[in-house]
Amino acid sequence: KNEVEQSPQNLTAQEGEFITINCSYSVGISALHWLQQHPGGGIVSLFMLSSGKKKHGRLIATINIQEKHSSLHITASHPRDSAVYICAVYGGGSQGNLIFGKGTKLSVKP
Amino acid sequence: KAGVTQTPRYLIKTRGQQVTLSCSPISGHRSVSWYQQTPGQGLQFLFEYFSETQRNKGNFPGRFSGRQFSNSRSEMNVSTLELGDSALYLCASRRGFDEKLFFGSGTQLSVL
Repeated sequence: KNEVEQSPQNLTAQEGEFITINCSYSVGISALHWLQQHPGGGIVSLFMLSSGKKKHGRLIATINIQEKHSSLHITASHPRDSAVYICAVYGGGSQGNLIFGKGTKLSVKP
Repeated sequence: KAGVTQTPRYLIKTRGQQVTLSCSPISGHRSVSWYQQTPGQGLQFLFEYFSETQRNKGNFPGRFSGRQFSNSRSEMNVSTLELGDSALYLCASRRGFDEKLFFGSGTQLSVL
């Protein structure tokens, strides 16, 4: 069993829909990243959080440390949101050793 | 402000050779970390350097090594290349341990 599990693996949505991507982890963590990777390889860090909730524009990330679960929400989705979204955690209390989920491939249709 | 710069962008090597990849972090960022991305294994952490010291290391063989210079620039070296080393190698920098990562565009390595 992977230490970081994401669901769904693939997601197709219509423009304007509300989207949720989930991440569950089995290790004790100090922080969690949500990353976005567009075709061509470039990765952007969307959020780093260790508790509660963060919001940036149409993106919202939440984390529940007790339940070892995080969610990434996209409101009013747009075709430009099409990308792979990756959850990554700093495992074992280390601030450096990132453990990655396999990613969720999102496609938003106009 | 310049982003994280990785060179070269593409590299083709043959089995048994060695390769050195370079990463220049954002100015003021003292941490540089390296990652390998393959279609089968996804993203995997290689190592992280902070102020010229390796702080963390992933589960990779000793053929993978790195270093960081006093100006925070980092290099990664892979010796005795194997076909399975073909991958996208990414580096990232951050100012401190509780801050977001900034990724470079990566070096696509092909081993023939």
